Amino acid sequence: DADVTQTPRNRITKTGKRIMLECSQTKGHDRMYWYRQDPGLGLRLIYYSFDVKDINKGEISDGYSVSRQAQAKFSLSLESAIPNQTALYFCATSAYRGRPSKQYFGPGTRLTVT
Amino acid sequence: RKEVEQDPGPFNVPEGATVAFNCTYSNSASQSFFWYRQDCRKEPKLLMSVYSSGNEDGRFTAQLNRASQYISLLIRDSKLSDSATYLCVVNIDASSGDKLTFGTGTRLAVRP
Repeated sequence: DADVTQTPRNRITKTGKRIMLECSQTKGHDRMYWYRQDPGLGLRLIYYSFDVKDINKGEISDGYSVSRQAQAKFSLSLESAIPNQTALYFCATSAYRGRPSKQYFGPGTRLTVT
Repeated sequence: RKEVEQDPGPFNVPEGATVAFNCTYSNSASQSFFWYRQDCRKEPKLLMSVYSSGNEDGRFTAQLNRASQYISLLIRDSKLSDSATYLCVVNIDASSGDKLTFGTGTRLAVRP
């Protein structure tokens, strides 16, 4: 079984709809991240969480919100989806080791907003 | 200037070739450096960390030049399976903890 899972894997939604992307991990890591990837722009950080009570905005948090329901679960919500939020979304996890460490990525969610 | 810059490629090389990618970063205080590999429509996976003294893992060699603020990845004896996008990743600001900044990637295509 995969250590980091994301649901759904693909989603098509309409402008204005609220949508939630979910991420679960079995690695026991305390740190979790949400990124989006767009062609030519690379991966950009949306939100990150260093533990259940710690939520931080990344570089492109506008239009998104997150919830860390448990150490193993980190959800990303689009409150009112718009077409320019069409992208590939990745969740990632890492374990704190006193210095930046390897991040493990989920398989991604391909979101299309029409 | 972008925080992490890479040549997007594509680099199109024959099997067995040696190919090198460079990446520059903007913050001289950056502490940690990595190369990730991403196959088409798949998640990024760590290829190797980059250490100050340089490091090698099989056919892959990573180098760090702090004075010039660049890192490099050398792939020797290229295989068809090396075809992928290679992401340069930097912890730009040590005070930001584990936050990583990703380059846009360099695409490699290895042909028979």
